[in-house]
Amino acid sequence: DGGITQSPKYLFRKEGQNVTLSCEQNLNHDAMYWYRQDPGQGLRLIYYSQIVNDFQKGDIAEGYSVSREKKESFPLTVTSAQKNPTAFYLCASSMGLAGAEQYFGPGTRLTVT
Amino acid sequence: GQNIDQPTEMTATEGAIVQINCTYQTSGFNGLFWYQQHAGEAPTFLSYNVLDGLEEKGRFSSFLSRSKGYSYLLLKELQMKDSASYLCAGGAGKLIFGQGTELSVKP
Repeated sequence: DGGITQSPKYLFRKEGQNVTLSCEQNLNHDAMYWYRQDPGQGLRLIYYSQIVNDFQKGDIAEGYSVSREKKESFPLTVTSAQKNPTAFYLCASSMGLAGAEQYFGPGTRLTVT
Repeated sequence: GQNIDQPTEMTATEGAIVQINCTYQTSGFNGLFWYQQHAGEAPTFLSYNVLDGLEEKGRFSSFLSRSKGYSYLLLKELQMKDSASYLCAGGAGKLIFGQGTELSVKP
């Protein structure tokens, strides 16, 4: 079955620690995205990648980093520089960038205390 | 600037019809997406409009007017399971998402 996976579903970390969220897709999609969602709000784009070894900052990239070494994988690191990291993080992928439906993973709920 | 606006919340009765509006202002536009998101879950695709007009898909329909920067999602024969957040998204290239409309369906 093709799809997009994120793990873990829930993640707890202490303040000051970096944490990496995984995102894997086997849909053969070129484009991948990371979004952050806070309660009662829409999705805000953190980073996106159109092709392997290339990625661009979204609207709220500060305090985050990504890599795209493989087509299937787009991990997100939440660094200690992110002021308010507790949120629901969603990964998505699409065939292309323009006009393409995005398929979402199940999300990771990160809590930093 | 780029902006997508939709109402924050709506309430409707089971079996009724509800229309969720979305207005957009984006630099470049390839089409307008609607997604459904249940609490704590991932958004799922509902519809995509590129051309003006109404697209019908079962109980759900979506309308687009490019000249007015306006779209709506129409849900017919509402069911309790339709209680969810409905996200409008558009743009050229990377999508801009609205804040979502929280729909509550009451018995």
